[in-house]
Amino acid sequence: EPEVTQTPSHQVTQMGQEVILRCVPISNHLYFYWYRQILGQKVEFLVSFYNNEISEKSEIFDDQFSVERPDGSNFTLKIRSTKLEDSAMYFCASRGASGYTDTQYFGPGTRLTVL
Amino acid sequence: QKEVEQDPGPLSVPEGAIVSLNCTYSNSAFQYFMWYRQYSRKGPELLMYTYSSGNKEDGRFTAQVDKSSKYISLFIRDSQPSDSATYLCAIKGSNYQLIWGAGTKLIIKP
Repeated sequence: EPEVTQTPSHQVTQMGQEVILRCVPISNHLYFYWYRQILGQKVEFLVSFYNNEISEKSEIFDDQFSVERPDGSNFTLKIRSTKLEDSAMYFCASRGASGYTDTQYFGPGTRLTVL
Repeated sequence: QKEVEQDPGPLSVPEGAIVSLNCTYSNSAFQYFMWYRQYSRKGPELLMYTYSSGNKEDGRFTAQVDKSSKYISLFIRDSQPSDSATYLCAIKGSNYQLIWGAGTKLIIKP
């Protein structure tokens, strides 16, 4: 069964460093998402991406964040200058055909720890 | 008022019991409602989705939406220890983003 994969599973970085979180969505999917979940808190929407551009972003997704689909298979989230409060699980999701009911499939997440 | 509210639990029940998990929401315009299951250190996995009001059943799981009271429920019959996980309700907002409840941690005791 096709699945969304994410690498690395755990990333430890120093405050102020840049990190890139990688996702490989399901191959025929067209819509891509990043969510984050701070330990003990709700899952929060960050950004959605379609047709090589951001379609919606939340207030959390400020200038330190960027997304890219560099090669037609990977979907990346870059955090430019990490802060302690960026420590969280980051989930990538992808969705297939257009149609409001289509399911978002989630990857296993990357645990980001900022020291 | 928060958009989606869900009691974080934990909820502990004996094996075989019927489990009832619930969320309330504030925006009457919401139409699509989902339940995800999340095991520890894993991504959310879709269990059920429903459109508008009514019930939907899939094996031991039943999802119920009451739009008049802005209340959604997930029932698990004949609960098993393997059902122990965090259950998250999610609602589709504008542009397909998901708005999440806090998640209820469910523990099924053998």
